[in-house]
Amino acid sequence: NAGVTQTPKFQVLKTGQSMTLQCAQDMNHEYMSWYRQDPGMGLRLIHYSVGAGITDQGEVPNGYNVSRSTTEDFPLRLLSAAPSQTSVYFCASRTPGFTDTQYFGPGTRLTVL
Amino acid sequence: GQNIDQPTEMTATEGAIVQINCTYQTSGFNGLFWYQQHAGEAPTFLSYNVLDGLEEKGRFSSFLSRSKGYSYLLLKELQMKDSASYLCAVRDRPGGGADGLTFGKGTHLIIQP
Repeated sequence: NAGVTQTPKFQVLKTGQSMTLQCAQDMNHEYMSWYRQDPGMGLRLIHYSVGAGITDQGEVPNGYNVSRSTTEDFPLRLLSAAPSQTSVYFCASRTPGFTDTQYFGPGTRLTVL
Repeated sequence: GQNIDQPTEMTATEGAIVQINCTYQTSGFNGLFWYQQHAGEAPTFLSYNVLDGLEEKGRFSSFLSRSKGYSYLLLKELQMKDSASYLCAVRDRPGGGADGLTFGKGTHLIIQP
């Protein structure tokens, strides 16, 4: 199993550009999430999904959209990039049990100029 | 609100023991996780506690006191490869619904020879 994969690994955008961060998992996990990690802030939840066709907002959803058309894929769209969105983005997946841990992808390092 | 506190940075010596503390105040509690994160990499799962007491896994142990809102991660026989950030995270809601993981800001552990 490849686990959770993310592309690209690095990306530089100009303010106002849009782009999609890709995330895929091959573990048949129902739950998928997007986090961002900033220095001194810890991991913060952007959006999450509990199954195909179901998404909801996390702690910091503004400026991001998600969709979940299949169990495997959970892309994150930046609608109009801003410097405040410079961050490292992690996708994660898990099964729904209370004790089940998150499996994180390798991350995408995004810089917005 | 949700609040998780852990020290920003700690230094320890190779071969020694170190204890990383985590205190939390959350609206609900459905377990506490510890993750390890090496620089530039994704977090990886270390331990999970939902009942009071000590859970031991090789060189790593984790303790929980729900009445005190307190946990610690104990690392024994420290090795240079243990230099990493250690993230404390509380699942404050049941798994069926919101992702429900609130993360602390992480403790950067430096191991010296």
